[in-house]
Amino acid sequence: AQTVTQSQPEMSVQEAETVTLSCTYDTSESDYYLFWYKQPPSRQMILVIRQEAYKQQNATENRFSVNFQKAAKSFSLKISDSQLGDAAMYFCAYRILTQGGSEKLVFGKGTKLTVNP
Amino acid sequence: NAGVTQTPKFQVLKTGQSMTLQCAQDMNHEYMSWYRQDPGMGLRLIHYSVGAGITDQGEVPNGYNVSRSTTEDFPLRLLSAAPSQTSVYFCASTAGRRSGYTFGSGTRLTVV
Repeated sequence: AQTVTQSQPEMSVQEAETVTLSCTYDTSESDYYLFWYKQPPSRQMILVIRQEAYKQQNATENRFSVNFQKAAKSFSLKISDSQLGDAAMYFCAYRILTQGGSEKLVFGKGTKLTVNP
Repeated sequence: NAGVTQTPKFQVLKTGQSMTLQCAQDMNHEYMSWYRQDPGMGLRLIHYSVGAGITDQGEVPNGYNVSRSTTEDFPLRLLSAAPSQTSVYFCASTAGRRSGYTFGSGTRLTVV
C-alpha cells in the first residue's frame, strides 16, 4: 500500500527560529510528486511547496524549503524565520497513479505546528 | 476566479437523512475528487472523477454516491446519513499530474 508517514504529531518553535517537519513515504514508482499543504484554523488547504521526483534540486518557496532524499524516501519541510502566521496543521502528501490511469493524493496524518512568541 | 466552491459550509443532519454536498469549479479541470478529514487520520479519498460521465471509488466510498454530468460540478450524496459520517469534507480539482490541486473551503458535517 502507498503510505505517507509524518512521525511528529505536534511540533513547536519560537518565533524567528527554524523548524523542520519530517515526512517519509513508500512508493515503487520512479515518477511522482510530493507536496506540503498547510491547514490553518480557517480549514482551508493551502499548497506550501511541491517537489517533482525527477528533479534533484530541492524546492524552495521563500521561507519554506524541502530536503528531498529520494533514495531514503524522505521529504522534510524546513520553515525558516518562523512567524506566528505559520501556526497550522501541515500535511505531507504524495501524488500517485491509480489503476486505470487516474491519480490521487495520499496524505499523511499531519503535524500540528505551534509558534511561540 | 472562484476556484473550487463548496456548499454548504456547515450542516447538521439527523441519522437516516439524506443530503447532497455541492462542489463546483470554474477552472475547466477534468479531475475532481472528494476527501473526508477526521481527527488524527489526515485526508482520505472518497470518490473521484477523471471527466464528465466517469467516476470511481477511492479509499472510503461506502455510504456515498457521486455523479459527474458536467465538467464543472461534482456533487457528493449521502443517501442515509450515519454518525460515522460526521467529518469535514473537501472537494479538490486539478488540471493534471504536473499541476497542483485546488481545494474548496470544506464542509463541516455533523450527523446526530
